Amino acid sequence: AQSVTQLDSHVSVSEGTPVLLRCNYSSSYSPSLFWYVQHPNKGLQLLLKYTSAATLVKGINGFEAEFKKSETSFHLTKPSAHMSDAAEYFCVVSDLSGTYKYIFGTGTRLKVLA
Amino acid sequence: NAGVTQTPKFRVLKTGQSMTLLCAQDMNHEYMYWYRQDPGMGLRLIHYSVGEGTTAKGEVPDGYNVSRLKKQNFLLGLESAAPSQTSVYFCASSYLGLSVLGTGELFFGEGSRLTVL
Repeated sequence: AQSVTQLDSHVSVSEGTPVLLRCNYSSSYSPSLFWYVQHPNKGLQLLLKYTSAATLVKGINGFEAEFKKSETSFHLTKPSAHMSDAAEYFCVVSDLSGTYKYIFGTGTRLKVLA
Repeated sequence: NAGVTQTPKFRVLKTGQSMTLLCAQDMNHEYMYWYRQDPGMGLRLIHYSVGEGTTAKGEVPDGYNVSRLKKQNFLLGLESAAPSQTSVYFCASSYLGLSVLGTGELFFGEGSRLTVL
């Protein structure tokens, strides 16, 4: 069965410092992995996705993530945090097992300090 | 391009009342999903559909029913609302449920905030 674990429920960084949001997954098949961002009282927006092409994936707003099969990880990074990055971030996994389902992590709330 | 549209955006119900949430997508997607979001629990799948006329249960289906009579619409019904169904509901659709290219991403609506008193 597929699952996703977001290792930190809250992360605080200072503006201009790097961001690291951690995600580990479990999947019996080759997974597709996604990061979504949700700003307060808004819907979810796709940041980036991995679907078995390049292991380093670049997304919107300067975010990127690296797929590491040996570590079953898909951590989200950004070199320099901006105040507008404050939001909740979700790691999502889906796989080719034919279930058509997407499994969500419980989310990481990112706080950016001035 | 409207994408995924949910109506209504807000609703307050009394225990035992019924209601229907409507999700409409204009991207010709085959796959549609209803999730609920509760604090600290991420998004949990209620029901989903892999095509017109088909539905399937997700991880928290009890107390909900769905219908997909038209490809572009996916309705979520609460027959007898309970306070435990107070939540934010998200509809999503995707264009590649299963493919050798991997799975396509989900496109989300803005959410429907439901309060059951």
